[in-house]
Amino acid sequence: RKEVEQDPGPFNVPEGATVAFNCTYSNSASQSFFWYRQDCRKEPKLLMSVYSSGNEDGRFTAQLNRASQYISLLIRDSKLSDSATYLCVVKRGGADGLTFGKGTHLIIQP
Amino acid sequence: NAGVTQTPKFQVLKTGQSMTLQCAQDMNHEYMSWYRQDPGMGLRLIHYSVGAGITDQGEVPNGYNVSRSTTEDFPLRLLSAAPSQTSVYFCASRLRLGPAKETQYFGPGTRLLVL
Repeated sequence: RKEVEQDPGPFNVPEGATVAFNCTYSNSASQSFFWYRQDCRKEPKLLMSVYSSGNEDGRFTAQLNRASQYISLLIRDSKLSDSATYLCVVKRGGADGLTFGKGTHLIIQP
Repeated sequence: NAGVTQTPKFQVLKTGQSMTLQCAQDMNHEYMSWYRQDPGMGLRLIHYSVGAGITDQGEVPNGYNVSRSTTEDFPLRLLSAAPSQTSVYFCASRLRLGPAKETQYFGPGTRLLVL
């Protein structure tokens, strides 16, 4: 089983719709969780950290389920500018690097 | 602050050539790392450093060397380029904070083609 798994998509979603992605991770020792956004041919940028209690940042909501080892990202009222690849990222702790999922490609259609 | 900078942006090499990818950050971050991104593979960690003078291997270190003589700079050296090293290389840095606050900043990437 891959350490971080995501549905690669693409997800084709009309503007204004709500879309959700899930991500599963295999290492139960993982301590930190993030969603990164990557635009075509650009570097990844942090979208939001994911906390155990769930957290919201504007139209974006992230949730963590440690028991089932999955992370979710919900985007409400989607905009054309939300079109990107969303990377699920997990970190074990200490000096470990980040482990990236392969990303979920989202296309918002007008 | 310039953040994380990488040079060159693009490079074409012939098999067997060596080169150094430069990475610098001006945020006084202790932790720096190199990733490669290949289609369908996601980002994979090559090497990382937790401070000046300290480096360690990541998931895919073979064929690459790194050094960290200063806090700011973390160059990646390809010893003898191979076509399998054709990829996009990203350098990243972060402060060594607690696990809940580790925002990692990426450079703009170097696109490398090995013929």
